[in-house]
Amino acid sequence: DSGVTQTPKHLITATGQRVTLRCSPRSGDLSVYWYQQSLDQGLQFLIQYYNGEERAKGNILERFSAQQFPDLHSELNLSSLELGDSALYFCASSGPLAGFSQETQYFGPGTRLLVL
Amino acid sequence: LAKTTQPISMDSYEGQEVNITCSHNNIATNDYITWYQQFPSQGPRFIIQGYKTKVTNEVASLFIPADRKSSTLSLPRVSLSDTAVYYCLVGALNQAGTALIFGKGTTLSVSS
Repeated sequence: DSGVTQTPKHLITATGQRVTLRCSPRSGDLSVYWYQQSLDQGLQFLIQYYNGEERAKGNILERFSAQQFPDLHSELNLSSLELGDSALYFCASSGPLAGFSQETQYFGPGTRLLVL
Repeated sequence: LAKTTQPISMDSYEGQEVNITCSHNNIATNDYITWYQQFPSQGPRFIIQGYKTKVTNEVASLFIPADRKSSTLSLPRVSLSDTAVYYCLVGALNQAGTALIFGKGTTLSVSS
């Protein structure tokens, strides 16, 4: 158990819909990262937050957005869903220092999203 | 970030030592080398990190030659449960704002 929690574990929805994935980092960690993993694309970095502020952006679509709240939990919002958005979405956390890339990242169990 | 190259797949038998080599010819002075392990449908898990020479923990050893252009993850006496994808990552500890870039990784299959 990494200490990172993600909800829900599974999500099935239809094209065009909007969903919200939630992540709670390990106690004391200030950085939260979101990754998408699909069969053909591997593990892709989406976005990073550090202590409530956006720190880095990866291959995140404009239809996707995220935020980190004062209690440090984070939400990833996916809208206008397409079939190709079906994937495993992982959240990871690190810290409590400044979220440098080579700090050990602790990954949650993931949310499996299926868009029909 | 330095680009890494590692074998797509490796096969082994239980009880054998497995060495997975990663090439990172463009590694920078400040870069560290980190390995993660991922089981199917689970998030990656940190295995080991090093800068030079040799690092050992309860799970694995990491060998880094003097020129640091490659590194070798060594898993002693693998078991079936070591079947997973292993990722080699290279980056700087002070490279704030740059998240982990995972390549394709090496799929290790351990058989009995």
